[in-house]
Amino acid sequence: EVQLVESGGGLVQPGGSLRLCCEASGFAFSRYWMSWVRQAPGKGLEWVANIDQRGSGTDYVHFVGGRFTVSRDNAKNSLFLQMSSLRVEDTAVYYCARATSTASVDYWGQGTLVTVSS
Amino acid sequence: DVVMTQSPLSLPVTLGQPASISCRSNQSLARSDGNTYLNWFQQRPGQSPRRLIYEVSNRDSGVPDRFSGSGSGTDFTLKISRVETEDVGIYYCMQSTHWPWTFGQGTKVEIK
Repeated sequence: EVQLVESGGGLVQPGGSLRLCCEASGFAFSRYWMSWVRQAPGKGLEWVANIDQRGSGTDYVHFVGGRFTVSRDNAKNSLFLQMSSLRVEDTAVYYCARATSTASVDYWGQGTLVTVSS
Repeated sequence: DVVMTQSPLSLPVTLGQPASISCRSNQSLARSDGNTYLNWFQQRPGQSPRRLIYEVSNRDSGVPDRFSGSGSGTDFTLKISRVETEDVGIYYCMQSTHWPWTFGQGTKVEIK
């Protein structure tokens, strides 16, 4: 069974940093692109970043603006999102998701809440 | 960025009746490889999103056949042939033809 479990969320002050982790199991992690998607409270879904199987190729949406870095450790079946210079508008549930060869995502984690507030 | 526009944003439906959600993009989602990367996701209250449909009309494993997707180019539709209680939630279309991948605003399906 495919499982994705996010952790690392919490309360952080504006300008602060946070590192999210997603632990994967139930599939060959190193063979898949992975994604981060976020959802602000009561709002819709918004893409954040993708990373290729080896971690050498990454794509970010424009609002990231160099503040976020996606990475992975295939030996530990783990995906990361390093977030810095956090803004109040970054407050959201952050989901990791498994990307497919058909340019989509098929499995999602339960999400981890990041709250940016003073 | 490709803008995805869903309608309606709220859809009250009687149990057992059909429902239809429209999704339009401001650019064609047909890619040069011949595929069209339009997906539909369901998000039940308090849950993570779940993919229902990929590449316009392919239903995911375990998705009831009352769900169907259709469309081409810039105009797409998700249909539920007979709405059941478990279908309550928010439905999002998502395009993954152009980067960044983008979602529609979501359509809230509720029972009348």
